[in-house]
Amino acid sequence: GNSVTQMEGPVTLSEEAFLTINCTYTATGYPSLFWYVQYPGEGLQLLLKATKADDKGSNKGFEATYRKETTSFHLEKGSVQVSDSAVYFCASYDYKLSFGAGTTVTVRA
Amino acid sequence: DTEVTQTPKHLVMGMTNKKSLKCEQHMGHRAMYWYKQKAKKPPELMFVYSYEKLSINESVPSRFSPECPNSSLLNLHLHALQPEDSALYLCASSQDNTYEQYFGPGTRLTVT
Repeated sequence: GNSVTQMEGPVTLSEEAFLTINCTYTATGYPSLFWYVQYPGEGLQLLLKATKADDKGSNKGFEATYRKETTSFHLEKGSVQVSDSAVYFCASYDYKLSFGAGTTVTVRA
Repeated sequence: DTEVTQTPKHLVMGMTNKKSLKCEQHMGHRAMYWYKQKAKKPPELMFVYSYEKLSINESVPSRFSPECPNSSLLNLHLHALQPEDSALYLCASSQDNTYEQYFGPGTRLTVT
């Protein structure tokens, strides 16, 4: 089945810094890819998605591009805010969602 | 409306109790899911219902019993749980089982 590997962190940044969270996947085909975000004490929220190679998902200033050649789906944001502090999960879909381990991001004012 | 609701928000139960978790969505989604999430870990799939039929059971112990009374509702019946079953239980739904999933806020379960 599919699997996802993402940098585990924790990642601590200052406000307005650039954020990158690396995510790579292994799959027999071309799975749909997702980033979910989990704020403290809450469920998961879909942040963005991409369903085929070279698709770029974007939402709330976050972006990720489906790279078939490197089997990657790295998450980026150009200028983070304190409110972006959360756990970020990369996921791929085969017959089920396979999640990465999660990356805890803390943004300091 | 992309909301999945779950009740209760918190639940404390003894090992001999029987309780139920409830999940509801009104997005017309035809697939619904139960996940278990331990602290600082990703969610783990437990069950999938597709068009009100159980399609996936990820080898979950029988002390967890899912039920899908209709296309909007999903229950998880709990009986004779163990302390290690304490976790956040998340419900999710999707248009069908190939589309993106939308998660509820979860039920924080503590087994004493």
